[in-house]
Amino acid sequence: SQKIEQNSEALNIQEGKTATLTCNYTNYSPAYLQWYRQDPGRGPVFLLLIRENEKEKRKERLKVTFDTTLKQSLFHITASQPADSATYLCAQGGDSGGYQKVTFGTGTKLQVIP
Amino acid sequence: NAGVTQTPKFRILKIGQSMTLQCAQDMNHNYMYWYRQDPGMGLKLIYYSVGAGITDKGEVPNGYNVSRSTTEDFPLRLELAAPSQTSVYFCASSSGQGGSPLHFGNGTRLTVT
Repeated sequence: SQKIEQNSEALNIQEGKTATLTCNYTNYSPAYLQWYRQDPGRGPVFLLLIRENEKEKRKERLKVTFDTTLKQSLFHITASQPADSATYLCAQGGDSGGYQKVTFGTGTKLQVIP
Repeated sequence: NAGVTQTPKFRILKIGQSMTLQCAQDMNHNYMYWYRQDPGMGLKLIYYSVGAGITDKGEVPNGYNVSRSTTEDFPLRLELAAPSQTSVYFCASSSGQGGSPLHFGNGTRLTVT
């Protein structure tokens, strides 16, 4: 079955730098990818959506790309701040399981060092 | 503005006991989901529902049952609790429009001993 993989379990970055997180999928392209932020002891919170026919989306300091050739999405946080420290989850939807069957990667824990 | 409400927040079960995790949403969302999250792992889809009366299996449905008799509620039932079901359980809902974001509750932390 289709899998979503986030290769980095953890990423440490200096404050002010750009954090880049990677999400790869196997086989066929999902109809869309979503990115969520999860803080300890809380449920995930939605950040961004990108559809299969879109190459890039932006929201404030966040940017996400979708490369169907590489089967990859990149999630960027520019001018990172300690408050950005959290676990970031990539999710896919719209594979053969159904358009609204949403499955998640294992997440990347981002630590922004002051 | 409650969103998605999960109860209880914490529960300890003995092996073989049963329980129901409650989930309610007040956003009139058609789609609802149950996920489990183990330490250091992502979210695994247990069951989901696209509307009242309709449910379907996710990635890890064994040992669980669900029902969806109303739009608002989507309870998850554990019939014979096993240590492997020790996890944090998250319920989520979405409007069902393509790519619409999932709104999550704050989880139920379940320990089976």
